[in-house]
Amino acid sequence: QVQLVESGGGVVQPGRSLRLSCAASGFTFTSYTMHWVRQAPGKGLEWVALISSAGSDKFYADSVKGRFTISRDNSQNTLYLQMNSLRDEDTAMYYCARDPHRLPGQGYFDYWGQGILVTVSS
Amino acid sequence: DIQMTQSPSSLSASVGDRVTITCQASQDISNYLNWYQQKPGKAPKLLIYDASNLATGVPSRFSGSGSGTDFTFTINSLQPEDIAKYYCQQSDNFPLTFGGGTKVEIK
Repeated sequence: QVQLVESGGGVVQPGRSLRLSCAASGFTFTSYTMHWVRQAPGKGLEWVALISSAGSDKFYADSVKGRFTISRDNSQNTLYLQMNSLRDEDTAMYYCARDPHRLPGQGYFDYWGQGILVTVSS
Repeated sequence: DIQMTQSPSSLSASVGDRVTITCQASQDISNYLNWYQQKPGKAPKLLIYDASNLATGVPSRFSGSGSGTDFTFTINSLQPEDIAKYYCQQSDNFPLTFGGGTKVEIK
């Protein structure tokens, strides 16, 4: 069965960096676009970034552009989110999510991880 | 960015009732509209994709319709396990955006 397991979250000071990982299993990782979606405490869902199946195409929300980098290691079936220059407003549960499309476009999220909490606080 | 306006923000209904949630896009998104269910403390779950297609394993009491800018999500015969927050999401254009959510409670 499809499994997505996030790791790497925690408490970090403003301005510092953190790297999230998402280990995928139960499907052919190289065939799917992958996303990060976040949810601030008590708030709604916010799409963060996507990467195409081959890793050649990446898109970001304006709120993280220039600070966050999405990447993937298809040999390890793992998705990453490098988060730099973290701000208080980046505090959220971060979910990795699978998109049934190979290429970006008309993307939606058919499987989600359980989420990992990132808290930015001094 | 495409704004997604969901209504109502919350509703209370009885078991067995028909529940309807609407989602309006700020511009034409064709049928690129998806619906998710999120229970407290859990990850969202895909229910409907491309406006009206039921995701794998989702009960048939859930349905979706609409195109262009106006969309509807319906639960026929509300069940106690349907208590959750429901979100719409447009997939027509980047950035992908969500509605604000609708909290469904049992009366």
